[in-house]
Amino acid sequence: GENVEQHPSTLSVQEGDSAVIKCTYSDSASNYFPWYKQELGKRPQLIIDIRSNVGEKKDQRIAVTLNKTAKHFSLHITETQPEDSAVYFCAASLYSSASKIIFGSGTRLSIRP
Amino acid sequence: DGGITQSPKYLFRKEGQNVTLSCEQNLNHDAMYWYRQDPGQGLRLIYYSQIVNDFQKGDIAEGYSVSREKKESFPLTVTSAQKNPTAFYLCASSAGMGRGNTIYFGEGSWLTVV
Repeated sequence: GENVEQHPSTLSVQEGDSAVIKCTYSDSASNYFPWYKQELGKRPQLIIDIRSNVGEKKDQRIAVTLNKTAKHFSLHITETQPEDSAVYFCAASLYSSASKIIFGSGTRLSIRP
Repeated sequence: DGGITQSPKYLFRKEGQNVTLSCEQNLNHDAMYWYRQDPGQGLRLIYYSQIVNDFQKGDIAEGYSVSREKKESFPLTVTSAQKNPTAFYLCASSAGMGRGNTIYFGEGSWLTVV
C-alpha cells in the first residue's frame, strides 16, 4: 500500500525567511496531495492541495510543488510569520474510489522572532 | 469545517469503562472517519465508513467500535479493551473516499483515563 514519508520532523526558521517541508510517496498511482496545518490543540485544516495533472500551485505565501517522476512533493512557505508556527501534515491518495488518504508523520514548524 | 460537530470536547474515563464519542456532520458527506492522535504524534486511522450501515477497520481498530446507522452520525466507542486510550480523537468526513475528495476534520475530543 501507499506510504508517505515527511521531512524534517521539526523545523525552525527566522521570521521572514522561507520554510520548505518535503514528502515522498511510494505508490506512483497516487494523484491527490493535500497539506494540512494543525495549531496546538486544534484540528488539522486544509491549507493547499495539488493534483497530479499540475506541477505547482500557489496561494499567497504558500506553494506546493509536485515531482511525479521522483514521487515527491513539497510545501513552501515564504515570508514566514509567527502565525505560521504549527504542525504541518502532508498526505497522498489514489484517485480510485474507496482509496484511503495516507498522512505523513508531520513537521513541527517554529518561527523565531 | 464548521459542519462537523464532536462532543464532548473533554472526557474522563475510569479504568474498565466504555465511553462513546459523538460525531455529527451536516455536510451531506458519504464518508466518515475516526483518527487518534497522541501528543506530538501523527494521525492514525481507527475506523472509516464509506456509506451508511457499512464501516471498515483502520490501522488501530482494536479496543474501539463504531456504528453508522445514519449518514450524518458516526459515533466511536472506546471500550475497556483499549488499554491506553488517553489521546486526542478526531472525527472527519469527505464527500466520498478517494477521487481527490478533501477530508474535513471536527474540533476533536480529548479523552483522559483517570
